[in-house]
Amino acid sequence: KNQVEQSPQSLIILEGKNCTLQCNYTVSPFSNLRWYKQDTGRGPVSLTIMTFSENTKSNGRYTATLDADTKQSSLHITASQLSDSASYICVVSVPGGYNKLIFGAGTRLAVHP
Amino acid sequence: EPEVTQTPSHQVTQMGQEVILRCVPISNHLYFYWYRQILGQKVEFLVSFYNNEISEKSEIFDDQFSVERPDGSNFTLKIRSTKLEDSAMYFCASRHRSGTGAPRSDEQFFGPGTRLTVL
Repeated sequence: KNQVEQSPQSLIILEGKNCTLQCNYTVSPFSNLRWYKQDTGRGPVSLTIMTFSENTKSNGRYTATLDADTKQSSLHITASQLSDSASYICVVSVPGGYNKLIFGAGTRLAVHP
Repeated sequence: EPEVTQTPSHQVTQMGQEVILRCVPISNHLYFYWYRQILGQKVEFLVSFYNNEISEKSEIFDDQFSVERPDGSNFTLKIRSTKLEDSAMYFCASRHRSGTGAPRSDEQFFGPGTRLTVL
């Protein structure tokens, strides 16, 4: 069964600190892996998209890594800011023209001053 | 910057009533989607729509649900007879064109969501 699992479920860090969020998936084959940021009550916003041949992708203070052999991905956030408080969702895209997305449950990150 | 819009932002309805959730996708996009997210749970795929027909639907998308693109700009989700368990956030998303292997062509842009509360 195609699944995306994320850890930790929630995380609290102090402003300015770094953190790493984990994602394991069983989706196979897959087209690409994405990380989304979702603020409370809002729609997901794309942070990074990686194909199976890419190992790392950065977007400002966000850096995603992908190991297609072990089916693991991580999202590293550096120098966290209060505005980083949100849910971070790992999403895997299934191949095919219709681009079906399979979502993880997300990691809820709280950045405290 | 173009964005997906959804109305209303919050809909409250009585069980058994019909609701229509509306979305305006990004104007040059070709693929359209509905997702839902029950409070505290993960986002779930409902349906994809392309070339004026449903291309794929999930088990959740039963006969009570229907989608329509009535006028070339709006994309609607109708729930014929709402149930308590339909209470959720409903997200519309759109995508420009078919995947070519380039990740950006696969990117789905999400709207802000409609919170549906069934009483």
